[in-house]
Amino acid sequence: GDSVTQTEGLVTLTEGLPVKLNCTYQTAYSDVAFFWYVQHLNEAPKLLLRSSTDNKRTEHQGFHATLHKSSSSFHLQKSSVQLSDSALYFCAPLSGGSNAKLTFGKGTKLSVKS
Amino acid sequence: DAGVTQTPRHEVAEKGQTIILKCEPVSGHNDLFWYRQTKIQGLELLSYFRSKSLMEDGGAFKDRFKAEMLNSSFSTLKIQPTEPKDSAVYLCASSRDNSDYTFGSGTRLLVI
Repeated sequence: GDSVTQTEGLVTLTEGLPVKLNCTYQTAYSDVAFFWYVQHLNEAPKLLLRSSTDNKRTEHQGFHATLHKSSSSFHLQKSSVQLSDSALYFCAPLSGGSNAKLTFGKGTKLSVKS
Repeated sequence: DAGVTQTPRHEVAEKGQTIILKCEPVSGHNDLFWYRQTKIQGLELLSYFRSKSLMEDGGAFKDRFKAEMLNSSFSTLKIQPTEPKDSAVYLCASSRDNSDYTFGSGTRLLVI
């Protein structure tokens, strides 16, 4: 089945610094869409970014990611993190043909300090 | 827009009890998912319904976990009997033809 690997554990940064959260995946399917979800403390996960186009940069709320099918990656980046970016970030490929569903990574916790 | 509604928000159960968690998906969504969230394992899929039909039942969770969807606007997750290791947040999500998932706020379960 599909699997996804994210930057493990906790990433701690000072406000204003750049961040890159890694995400790589393995799938038997060539037709893959990719999602990043963000979950703030005691809230539901919410969609942050999605892409199904190879080598195209996708941006939302200051975050960006580019799907690279050649390297099976969809890393999440931001040039300058804010305190409000502190949250749990999940990477998830969508593949599986007619029964496609999201496969979530274990999540990366981002903690931004002043 | 009404999102995904989950009840109860919190549940405390004694080991061996039966508990039922409830979920109302977004109106018009035909996919419904139940996940268990823990710090160690992250989001684990328990069940997946498409148009009320069970598509996946989460393998390792089969023996004590049973999800049902009697109509398109309501689903339940029964855990019977509960064990302390079931303590986690249970999330329900819905989508329309596997587009963006909308998650509920979850049920935080503590089994003592």
